[in-house]
Amino acid sequence: KNEVEQSPQNLTAQEGEFITINCSYSVGISALHWLQQHPGGGIVSLFMLSSGKKKHGRLIATINIQEKHSSLHITASHPRDSAVYICAVPYNNNDMRFGAGTRLTVKP
Amino acid sequence: DTAVSQTPKYLVTQMGNDKSIKCEQNLGHDTMYWYKQDSKKFLKIMFSYNNKELIINETVPNRFSPKSPDKAHLNLHINSLELGDSAVYFCASSQGQGNSPLHFGNGTRLTVT
Repeated sequence: KNEVEQSPQNLTAQEGEFITINCSYSVGISALHWLQQHPGGGIVSLFMLSSGKKKHGRLIATINIQEKHSSLHITASHPRDSAVYICAVPYNNNDMRFGAGTRLTVKP
Repeated sequence: DTAVSQTPKYLVTQMGNDKSIKCEQNLGHDTMYWYKQDSKKFLKIMFSYNNKELIINETVPNRFSPKSPDKAHLNLHINSLELGDSAVYFCASSQGQGNSPLHFGNGTRLTVT
C-alpha cells in the first residue's frame, strides 16, 4: 500500500463543474503539497499547507491533520485545468512521498 | 529568468553509454533534488542535496551519481545506461526541508535504446 493514496485516478468533467480530488496519507507530516503537471510535462507547485484551507483563484486546498486527509477543489472548471494533480508528503529529512496522481480532463 | 533550469530537455542514447543531466537554480535555495518519473507518471525521489551534502539516497543504483559543484547546481551523472533508465528526470529545489514549496525544472526525457 502506497503511503500516499489519491482518488480518483482519472476524472473527466464538463466545463464549469466543481472538481474534488482526494489525498490520504499514512506518514506523519509537517506540510502537504499539491502539484500540477500539465500535458507538456512541467510540474508546478500549487499549494503547500499544514492546516486548514488555502485558496488561490479557483483552486482551494483543505487539510485535516487528524484524519490525514487533504482535498483539492477546482471551482468552475475549465479545459485549461486539464492536467495531472499530485499530492506529496514530506517524509524524514528532505524526503518526499508522492501520490500516483489524478489525471483530470475537462471537456468544453 | 528561469528559476530551475535543466538541460538537455531530451536525451536519446544507447545502452552502455555514460550521460549527464545538468541542473541550475537561481532562487538561492539551499536544497536541491533529483526525481525520476516512470512511464506510469509516478514520481520517486532519487537524491537530495542540502548545502552540498547528500541528505538522502534512495535505493538508486550506484551507476547514478549526483555532483554538486556549488549550492546552485546539482548535476546527475549516469554510467552504463540501461533500458530501464528510460524515464523523465526532474530537478527541483526548495528552501529548507519538506515544509517549503518545491520548484521544479521542466524535466529531461531520457530514452535508452
